[in-house]
Amino acid sequence: NAGVMQNPRHLVRRRGQEARLRCSPMKGHSHVYWYRQLPEEGLKFMVYLQKENIIDESGMPKERFSAEFPKEGPSILRIQQVVRGDSAAYFCASSLTGTGSYEQYFGPGTRLTVT
Amino acid sequence: AQSVTQLDSQVPVFEEAPVELRCNYSSSVSVYLFWYVQYPNQGLQLLLKYLSGSTLVKGINGFEAEFNKSQTSFHLRKPSVHISDTAEYFCAVISSGGYQKVTFGIGTKLQVIP
Repeated sequence: NAGVMQNPRHLVRRRGQEARLRCSPMKGHSHVYWYRQLPEEGLKFMVYLQKENIIDESGMPKERFSAEFPKEGPSILRIQQVVRGDSAAYFCASSLTGTGSYEQYFGPGTRLTVT
Repeated sequence: AQSVTQLDSQVPVFEEAPVELRCNYSSSVSVYLFWYVQYPNQGLQLLLKYLSGSTLVKGINGFEAEFNKSQTSFHLRKPSVHISDTAEYFCAVISSGGYQKVTFGIGTKLQVIP
């Protein structure tokens, strides 16, 4: 049973470009969470999605960031017009349900570097 | 709202010595508590969790943690560490009754010295 997959593992973008981060949850999981880890900081919640729905995006910056989890295919975290401050590790997690088991399975992360 | 405090940003310890990584939380509602480990350039792996029942929780790799409601603490312990335990450890909470929005501490880097 494959775990949570994220790609790319490393992404380098110049300022002003777009970054697309992909997350494939574990098989059978329909709940996806995105977290950002800035250098020397813990993980910060960004957004919680179910298939075709954004449940909670309270941690997402108001501009340039968006996320989706379509009916088919991976979840996408999109960052438009990247700036140096977006350099971070972005982790995706998935769970079987939104409540109850309380266990999230994390992917290996995408390390975004903005030059 | 909930928050997690990990007071020690780095903890050096000699191999085979015991270690305790401290975690305190605050929340207006009941919480579930977790410890995750992150090895360099990898994702997070669940070490152990407290949902209910016995306050002493045993996890993988010989780690255990004790939930203390009166002190709002969930400290992680291991009686004898190995070099392979060198990693960053994150304490985390989820509000009970809600969905799984996790609040993490800033992490504690455990460095095991040979």
